[in-house]
Amino acid sequence: QVQLVQSGAEVKKPGASVKVSCKASGYTFTSYGISWVRQAPGQGLEWMGWISAYNGNTNYAQKLQGRVTMTTDTSTSTAYMELRSLRSDDTAVYYCARGGWDKDAFDIWGQGTMVTVSS
Amino acid sequence: EIVMTQSPATLSVSPGERATLSCRASQSVSSNLAWYQQKPGQAPRLLIYGASTRATGIPARFSGSGSGTEFTLTISSLQSEDFAVYYCQQYNNWPITFGQGTRLEIK
Repeated sequence: QVQLVQSGAEVKKPGASVKVSCKASGYTFTSYGISWVRQAPGQGLEWMGWISAYNGNTNYAQKLQGRVTMTTDTSTSTAYMELRSLRSDDTAVYYCARGGWDKDAFDIWGQGTMVTVSS
Repeated sequence: EIVMTQSPATLSVSPGERATLSCRASQSVSSNLAWYQQKPGQAPRLLIYGASTRATGIPARFSGSGSGTEFTLTISSLQSEDFAVYYCQQYNNWPITFGQGTRLEIK
């Protein structure tokens, strides 16, 4: 079946980096894009950015520009999101979600990865 | 960026009754509007895209309407499993933005 499986929970210190993976299966990876969405504890959904699995084009949320990098490995159908210079307010559940070639709704979501930033 | 505003923040409805959730965009998003349902500890689930098209496997009691800046999600007869948080999302412009959510609770 079509699914996205994410890597496990992470605990990081302020200033560190985290890299979350999202492995796709059950569909042609390069025919879709992947967005990353995060949710701080008890809060709403925040879109972080999008990457085309076809050509690697990206579009990032302005507030994260310079701290976030999204990449894909088409040989393993895996998307990655790296966030640098972590702060306590980056503590959140991070989701990957499948979208289309460009802006689109997200029809498949990963299970989420909890990232905790604490000294 | 387009700001999505949902109302009400919390909606209390009895099982079997109808629920109507609203979403307003700060500028036109055409019909590029989606609705998601999220239950505690779970990832969001796509309910509606294109403002009114149900996603695969979504029951017919869920319906969406609207275009431009005003949108509505209607749940015609609430079941116990429908009590959750609902988010609207616009995907007409970058950055993609979500509303703050409506919590649907049992009355």
